[in-house]
Amino acid sequence: AQSVTQLDSHVSVSEGTPVLLRCNYSSSYSPSLFWYVQHPNKGLQLLLKYTSAATLVKGINGFEAEFKKSETSFHLTKPSAHMSDAAEYFCVVSDRGDSSYKLIFGSGTRLLVRP
Amino acid sequence: GAVVSQHPSRVICKSGTSVKIECRSLDFQATTMFWYRQFPKQSLMLMATSNEGSKATYEQGVEKDKFLINHASLTLSTLTVTSAHPEDSSFYICSARDNRLAGQISSTDTQYFGPGTRLTVL
Repeated sequence: AQSVTQLDSHVSVSEGTPVLLRCNYSSSYSPSLFWYVQHPNKGLQLLLKYTSAATLVKGINGFEAEFKKSETSFHLTKPSAHMSDAAEYFCVVSDRGDSSYKLIFGSGTRLLVRP
Repeated sequence: GAVVSQHPSRVICKSGTSVKIECRSLDFQATTMFWYRQFPKQSLMLMATSNEGSKATYEQGVEKDKFLINHASLTLSTLTVTSAHPEDSSFYICSARDNRLAGQISSTDTQYFGPGTRLTVL
């Protein structure tokens, strides 16, 4: 069975400082991993995805994430936070061996960016 | 590319009425679409998988007679909340899997999400 754990429900950073949103996963097979961002009352936007190619994945808006199999982690980082980054972030896992293509969502991390 | 729309974006209805929500893939075909609901400050919960030309697959605990799903074409899935009650008030989000990835060795199972529909049942 697959699962995703987002270790922090809230993360608060100052504008211009680094961002780290933590995610650990559990998957029986080869996972695909995603980070999605959701702004208030909006749908989800794909930030980046891992599919077994390069372990360091670069996404949009300066975000990147590193797949670490030994640690079963897929943490999201950004060198310098911007006010517009304030949103809810979801770490998501999908089992590439599962033909149902279901996504399993983490509980989300709310990122607050202080001026 | 890979844009998904939902209509309406917001709906308010009286208890006991039915509400239909549409999900469209605008620039790609989607054999498979998904319906989620999201309560305030919570994560997304998968309700059902909508398959074009066949019956939807519902997750455990989701009433198929209450949440009717129809996937009549490769670009449209609809969710009808029948006899809505206040506890059905939620944010409903659909997603669509891009068929162009089907069969690719590097298929990423990427889903593209609609903007969501806020349902309020009075």
